[in-house]
Amino acid sequence: DADVTQTPRNRITKTGKRIMLECSQTKGHDRMYWYRQDPGLGLRLIYYSFDVKDINKGEISDGYSVSRQAQAKFSLSLESAIPNQTALYFCATSDPGTGIYEQYFGPGTRLTVT
Amino acid sequence: DAKTTQPTSMDCAEGRAANLPCNHSTISGNEYVYWYRQIHSQGPQYIIHGLKNNETNEMASLIITEDRKSSTLILPHATLRDTAVYYCIVRGGPSGSARQLTFGSGTQLTVLP
Repeated sequence: DADVTQTPRNRITKTGKRIMLECSQTKGHDRMYWYRQDPGLGLRLIYYSFDVKDINKGEISDGYSVSRQAQAKFSLSLESAIPNQTALYFCATSDPGTGIYEQYFGPGTRLTVT
Repeated sequence: DAKTTQPTSMDCAEGRAANLPCNHSTISGNEYVYWYRQIHSQGPQYIIHGLKNNETNEMASLIITEDRKSSTLILPHATLRDTAVYYCIVRGGPSGSARQLTFGSGTQLTVLP
């Protein structure tokens, strides 16, 4: 079984809808991250969390919110989806013991906003 | 953070060693070199990292020059499944404050049969 799972894997939604992307991990890592990737571009950090009570904005947090329900779960919400939020979304985890830059990524969620 | 320069693309014959270079001439003393790869539309995969010494794990070897201004990732026996975009990233070590991994454009490695 995959260590980092994301649901759904694909989603098409309409402008203005609220949508939630979910991430679960079995690695036992405290740190979790949400990134987005646009075609031909690198990853950009949306939010990150170092533990259940610690949530931080990343580079591009506007229009997004997150919830860290448990050590193993980190959800990303788009409050009112817009077409330029169409992208590939990745969740990642890391262990403080091995460093924040050794991250383990989920398979991604392909989101299309029409 | 130090910037990195990588070739846009490389080919390698299946079974041969793939040597992927990375220049990071502005690297500072406490910055590590990390390598990730991303197979088409999948999540990036951590490969290896190092500070000064050469490193080897089950996936690859990392050779860092003595002046630390460049490094080479070596996949000793490339397979078709190694076809991916390879990213060289230079960042602070484990004690650094939280920041994102900054993925540049990377090198598209194509392993040819």
